[in-house]
Amino acid sequence: AQRVTQPEKLLSVFKGAPVELKCNYSYSGSPELFWYVQYSRQRLQLLLRHISRESIKGFTADLNKGETSFHLKKPFAQEEDSAMYYCALEASGSRLTFGEGTQLTVNP
Amino acid sequence: GAVVSQHPSRVICKSGTSVKIECRSLDFQATTMFWYRQFPKQSLMLMATSNEGSKATYEQGVEKDKFLINHASLTLSTLTVTSAHPEDSSFYICSASDPGSNQPQHFGDGTRLSIL
Repeated sequence: AQRVTQPEKLLSVFKGAPVELKCNYSYSGSPELFWYVQYSRQRLQLLLRHISRESIKGFTADLNKGETSFHLKKPFAQEEDSAMYYCALEASGSRLTFGEGTQLTVNP
Repeated sequence: GAVVSQHPSRVICKSGTSVKIECRSLDFQATTMFWYRQFPKQSLMLMATSNEGSKATYEQGVEKDKFLINHASLTLSTLTVTSAHPEDSSFYICSASDPGSNQPQHFGDGTRLSIL
């Protein structure tokens, strides 16, 4: 069975500092991984997916199959980045398995 | 962009009541919809996959007779919590996708269910 682990429930950084939200997974097949973000009082929305290899709002994430990781990074955090971030893995049939989530707080 | 509408946003009702939650895709056809449950400060747990025109597929441990799912059209799936009890109180979230388009799932705003 697939599993997604986000080891940090809470992460606090200062504005302008680099931020990395960790995500590790276990899956026997070829994974498709996503990062979703949930801003305060808003719905869950897709931030980025590994197959797109794109940068959204300054965030990037690289799939490392050797380490089974998909960490989310941003070189300079902004206050508006404060949100709940979920790492998710898509298994067969488009079923998503979510990690526990990391609450990111960017302090001024 | 694609929008998924979920209704109602909040329900408070007495124990023993059945509650229906609707999930609609507003500007795309959703052949597949998903229902999740989220307890406070916990992650989203997939409950079931709803396929248009066929029976839903439930995840292990989810009672299909307790959580009835109907996906009668390409834009609407409903989740009915039958004879709800306080332990069913939770945040229920739906998402919709059209696998043929290779687009990711779009999520609804969620429904806060409180059983007294």
